[in-house]
Amino acid sequence: GQNIDQPTEMTATEGAIVQINCTYQTSGFNGLFWYQQHAGEAPTFLSYNVLDGLEEKGRFSSFLSRSKGYSYLLLKELQMKDSASYLCAFSGGYQKVTFGTGTKLQVIP
Amino acid sequence: DAGVTQSPTHLIKTRGQQVTLRCSPKSGHDTVSWYQQALGQGPQFIFQYYEEEERQRGNFPDRFSGHQFPNYSSELNVNALLLGDSALYLCASSGVGLAENQETQYFGPGTRLLVL
Repeated sequence: GQNIDQPTEMTATEGAIVQINCTYQTSGFNGLFWYQQHAGEAPTFLSYNVLDGLEEKGRFSSFLSRSKGYSYLLLKELQMKDSASYLCAFSGGYQKVTFGTGTKLQVIP
Repeated sequence: DAGVTQSPTHLIKTRGQQVTLRCSPKSGHDTVSWYQQALGQGPQFIFQYYEEEERQRGNFPDRFSGHQFPNYSSELNVNALLLGDSALYLCASSGVGLAENQETQYFGPGTRLLVL
């Protein structure tokens, strides 16, 4: 079957680095998404990894290992506005996207 | 360039009623997916429309139905509403674009449905 796991909550300090992990199991896999969702708002696209390795986009980086069914989102130089839920999701074909429950990140001063 | 739009933003219904939610995709996108997001959960895939046909469907009962129009906009209909249908309903669009991945889905602001 299909399954996707990520921690429920994390807390990190402003200015620090935080890594949010995600593991998944699926028979069909095209790529791995990360979305950011502030409370009461819609998810916004952060990254999409298809190939193994690290992709960097400003303060945010995303890593994928297809053989291990593993991804992480790395947030550097944390800011208060980064407090949000971070959703890991995989695309299993025909653009059908399966989401995890999300990791609620709290950034504290 | 308008992004994904949804209407209405909020809706209150009672059990047993029917509701229709609407979505207009981002310009240039031809695929619309609908998701249900309960509080504290990730979005759950309901179904996806492409070329006016339902292409994929998640684990939702037949009370959930949809439609896509020739201009790519879409509707989500829910019949015989239950209390458990209270959630944020998200529409996401995707499609072949000049500088974006075909797989990437862009979300609208959502419709918050409350069933009493």
